[in-house]
Amino acid sequence: TQLLEQSPQFLSIQEGENLTVYCNSSSVFSSLQWYRQEPGEGPVLLVTVVTGGEVKKLKRLTFQFGDARKDSSLHITAAQPGDTGLYLCAGEGNSGYALNFGKGTSLLVTP
Amino acid sequence: DAGITQSPRHKVTETGTPVTLRCHQTENHRYMYWYRQDPGHGLRLIHYSYGVKDTDKGEVSDGYSVSRSKTEDFLLTLESATSSQTSVYFCAISEEAGDLNSPLHFGNGTRLTVT
Repeated sequence: TQLLEQSPQFLSIQEGENLTVYCNSSSVFSSLQWYRQEPGEGPVLLVTVVTGGEVKKLKRLTFQFGDARKDSSLHITAAQPGDTGLYLCAGEGNSGYALNFGKGTSLLVTP
Repeated sequence: DAGITQSPRHKVTETGTPVTLRCHQTENHRYMYWYRQDPGHGLRLIHYSYGVKDTDKGEVSDGYSVSRSKTEDFLLTLESATSSQTSVYFCAISEEAGDLNSPLHFGNGTRLTVT
């Protein structure tokens, strides 16, 4: 199983602060995906990163794929309470059909 | 939002009883998946399907079986529920597998408690 380690596990910050969460593996991935999950709901795809060194921006969220395609980061600028949720990274699993997920970073942004 | 309905949304059952969870999709997607989500473990794949009557095991398949007799329905059965199967179960679908333009779409989950 290609393991994905996410850090930190929990993060509690105040509105307006910046933060970065990480997704690391010893395996090379052809791509990585980031999902956000809100309480009582299923995860929703935020972005897919494909090329080593790639940077993608989604409003205040910046995603980066490591040059060696073994790691990825998510940076949030000026966090808002609406950013609260569980952030999950995912990469292809051994079957080739399904994704493996990291354990996630639980983010709480307080006003 | 992708048309995925999981039923029931909540269930409490006793140890040793059989339980079936249903996932219904209206997207006509080929691939369907069952994951369980537990604190400290994240999302783990139980079983998946790559077509009608075509299924395979994931990393935590022991104690679970699945069936897919129609494109739109994917059933997860716990033949004899145990307390370790208390979890939140998510169904997901995708149009293709391994396609960067075909992400997973998740249902809203079934919270199962085995007492």
